[in-house]
Amino acid sequence: ELKVEQNPLFLSMQEGKNYTIYCNYSTTSDRLYWYRQDPGKSLESLFVLLSNGAVKQEGRLMASLDTKARLSTLHITAAVHDLSATYFCAVDIGPGGSNYKLTFGKGTLLTVNP
Amino acid sequence: SQTIHQWPATLVQPVGSPLSLECTVEGTSNPNLYWYRQAAGRGLQLLFYSVGIGQISSEVPQNLSASRPQDRQFILSSKKLLLSDSGFYLCAWDDEGASYNEQFFGPGTRLTVL
Repeated sequence: ELKVEQNPLFLSMQEGKNYTIYCNYSTTSDRLYWYRQDPGKSLESLFVLLSNGAVKQEGRLMASLDTKARLSTLHITAAVHDLSATYFCAVDIGPGGSNYKLTFGKGTLLTVNP
Repeated sequence: SQTIHQWPATLVQPVGSPLSLECTVEGTSNPNLYWYRQAAGRGLQLLFYSVGIGQISSEVPQNLSASRPQDRQFILSSKKLLLSDSGFYLCAWDDEGASYNEQFFGPGTRLTVL
């Protein structure tokens, strides 16, 4: 059974600081997704990482994937209040067979304080 | 472009009453469709997924059921709601023909069972 673990689950940051959210998974995969969820809202796709060493950046967020370590990171640079949200990573083990599903981590609740 | 709709947006129902939530996708054909539930402050729980009309896979035994009467329509139902059915219900789709499984989420239905 594929397991996806995020840490930390809760993160309180000051504006202007840098931090990293980690996503570990238990089964070989080269497909990893990051989502953002604002309070009371749905999930929005942030990044799709599809190979070892993949790096994607959008504004103050940068995501990377190390398939050998089964690890993805979401790095936050110079945090601003607008980044406050819950961030989920999700992994899938590819098409074919019976698995069309994404396995989600529990999410990291990020609060950026002034 | 593709869009996904869910309704109703909010629902308050008494224990023991029936439920019907609807999800429709526009702008794509033969999508894979998913129902998730998110309890307050919790992660995502996959309830059902469907790879085609009339094809439903259940992830968690419960008093909910799902149906897919048309290619781009996915319905979540219950004959008798329980208090534990309260939560945020999210419908999602992905492209059956894509080489990866990025899922796109609808706006969600917030269900409160009293």
